[in-house]
Amino acid sequence: KQEVTQIPAALSVPEGENLVLNCSFTDSAIYNLQWFRQDPGKGLTSLLLIQSSQREQTSGRLNASLDKSSGRSTLYIAASQPGDSATYLCAVSPISSGSARQLTFGSGTQLTVLP
Amino acid sequence: NAGVTQTPKFQVLKTGQSMTLQCAQDMNHNSMYWYRQDPGMGLRLIYYSASEGTTDKGEVPNGYNVSRLNKREFSLRLESAAPSQTSVYFCASGPLLNSPLHFGNGTRLTVT
Repeated sequence: KQEVTQIPAALSVPEGENLVLNCSFTDSAIYNLQWFRQDPGKGLTSLLLIQSSQREQTSGRLNASLDKSSGRSTLYIAASQPGDSATYLCAVSPISSGSARQLTFGSGTQLTVLP
Repeated sequence: NAGVTQTPKFQVLKTGQSMTLQCAQDMNHNSMYWYRQDPGMGLRLIYYSASEGTTDKGEVPNGYNVSRLNKREFSLRLESAAPSQTSVYFCASGPLLNSPLHFGNGTRLTVT
C-alpha cells in the first residue's frame, strides 16, 4: 500500500527566507506527483504536477523536484512571503489506481511565514 | 467559471440521521472523487467514479454510498450517520489524463 509522508508537520520562517518542504512515498510506481496548497477553511489548490518521467516543474517562485527512485519530492519556495502561509500537501497517483488516477495524500506541512 | 461546487458548506447531524452531500463540476471532467479530511491524517478516498455510470470504493467506503447522477454530478450519502463520520468532506474532479485535480471548498460535517 502506498504511503506518503511529509516532514515537518509544521514550519515557521521569517519573511524573505528560501525554504524546502519534503515529501516521501513508499512505492515508486506512480503516474505523477502533485503539490497542493490549502488555506484555512478552503479546498485544495493545485500548485505543481510532475509527471513520473519528469525531474522537476517550476511555477513562479515555486520549484518542485521528483526523485522517483528514492521516493522523494521537494517543494522549494523562494523569497517566502506572508501570503505563502498555508498548508502544503503532496499526493501521488499510484499506477495501481489505473485509469481512475486516484491520489494518495500526505498529511501536509503547515507553513507560517512571519512578517 | 464555477469549477467544483459542493453543498451544503456546513451540516450538523444527530447519530442515526441521514443526509446527502452534493457535488457538481462544470469542467466536463470524466473522473470525480469524494475524500474526507481528518486532523493529522491527510485526505482519504471514500469513493470515486472514473467515468459516468461507474463508481468504485476507495480506502474508507464503509458507511457511505454514492451516485454518479450524470457527468456533472456526484453525490455522497450517509444512510445512518455516526460520530466517527465527523469530518470535512471534499469533492474533486479531473480528466483521465495526467492533469491536476480540482477540488471544491468542502462540507464540514459534525455528527453528535
